[in-house]
Amino acid sequence: EIVLTQSPGTLSLSPGERATLSCRASQSVSSSYLAWYQQKPGQAPRLLIYGASSRATGIPDRFSGSGSGTDFTLTISRLEPEDFALYYCQQYGSSPIFTFGPGTRVDIK
Amino acid sequence: QVQLQQSGPGLVKPSQTLSLTCAISGDSVSTNSAAWHWIRQSPSRGLEWLGRTYYRSKWYNDYADSVKSRMTINADTPKNQFSLQLNSVTPEDTAVYYCARGWYQLVFWGQGTLVTVSS
Repeated sequence: EIVLTQSPGTLSLSPGERATLSCRASQSVSSSYLAWYQQKPGQAPRLLIYGASSRATGIPDRFSGSGSGTDFTLTISRLEPEDFALYYCQQYGSSPIFTFGPGTRVDIK
Repeated sequence: QVQLQQSGPGLVKPSQTLSLTCAISGDSVSTNSAAWHWIRQSPSRGLEWLGRTYYRSKWYNDYADSVKSRMTINADTPKNQFSLQLNSVTPEDTAVYYCARGWYQLVFWGQGTLVTVSS
């Protein structure tokens, strides 16, 4: 089973700042199978990035994804007030088919 | 636009069966371009994928090892929905349960159902 680790656990930043979130896999993950989600309180996760670097429909271009192998990054270039939320990475594999990271919370400094 | 509407009880007694339904609009449960999933989220376990069903000339199901012996996903083609049954529940199964659509990633999600296992 591939285990995903996210760091930091919490990121305290101000609006307008750049956020860099890390997702590390215990084994190599195909870039095609790495996704990022945003979740706000009381809501379901929302797909932001798929295939490691492709933005989902309707996602602003301040969100970008990069990485390969075991190290992946989600970058938010300039934080807007609505970006303060929880962020999860997810990989598609086998047994289990989907695994999620524990999440990074981005909160207002 | 695909929409998923979940329904089912929010309280289940220990040892009983948890049953949830996910009604689909904007797509067909028997589409051959996606799968239909159940995921749950709890403070102790985070986001946990539970299982999926999909149709490729016949129906296929896959389950997470953690629930394989207790879980069944069924698709109902006439009603265009799919369901989750989790048997012999314990308080550890208390979580928010989501249905979702996707293959390599989960694009559309239901609204979530908080299910509490308690007597």
